[in-house]
Amino acid sequence: AQSVTQLGSHVSVSEGALVLLRCNYSSSVPPYLFWYVQYPNQGLQLLLKYTSAATLVKGINGFEAEFKKSETSFHLTKPSAHMSDAAEYFCAVSEPGGGADGLTFGKGTHLIIQP
Amino acid sequence: GAGVSQSPRYKVAKRGQDVALRCDPISGHVSLFWYQQALGQGPEFLTYFQNEAQLDKSGLPSDRFFAERPEGSVSTLKIQRTQQEDSAVYLCASSAITNTEAFFGQGTRLTVV
Repeated sequence: AQSVTQLGSHVSVSEGALVLLRCNYSSSVPPYLFWYVQYPNQGLQLLLKYTSAATLVKGINGFEAEFKKSETSFHLTKPSAHMSDAAEYFCAVSEPGGGADGLTFGKGTHLIIQP
Repeated sequence: GAGVSQSPRYKVAKRGQDVALRCDPISGHVSLFWYQQALGQGPEFLTYFQNEAQLDKSGLPSDRFFAERPEGSVSTLKIQRTQQEDSAVYLCASSAITNTEAFFGQGTRLTVV
């Protein structure tokens, strides 16, 4: 069974500061990993994904994440926060190779940007 | 359409009422997923279709929940005899094949009163 833990239900950073959102996973096989962003009253938008290629993955809006197998982590970072980054962020895991179980999501981290 | 479309966007149902939630996936997408997102939580998997075949319904919380995709395109999630604990946002996602990028609709917010 897969699971995802996102540390910190709320993270607050100042505009221009580093953003770090933490995600740890548990999986019996090397997983695929995803970060999604959700704006109020909107669906989920894919930021980036890891599918067993390069361990450092670059996504949209300046975000990137690094897959660290030894730490079972996939933390999301952005060097400089912008006010428009304020949203809910979800880390998700799925089985590779065509599994039909969909995505297993973490509980989410609400990112707050202080002016 | 260009994206996944869900209707209605908002639904208020009286306890015990039946509801039907519709999902129009991206044209040509083979895989379709339904998720339930309770307030303040991450989405939780409900069920998965590959074309018209429902390959996994292990996430459906009770036999009051039923999903179909009869022609391999539009899908409907039906909830019978709604209860307060069914209040949530129901998200639909589609992808070209399993484990490629899943595109999400805006969701249907169901409130049971």
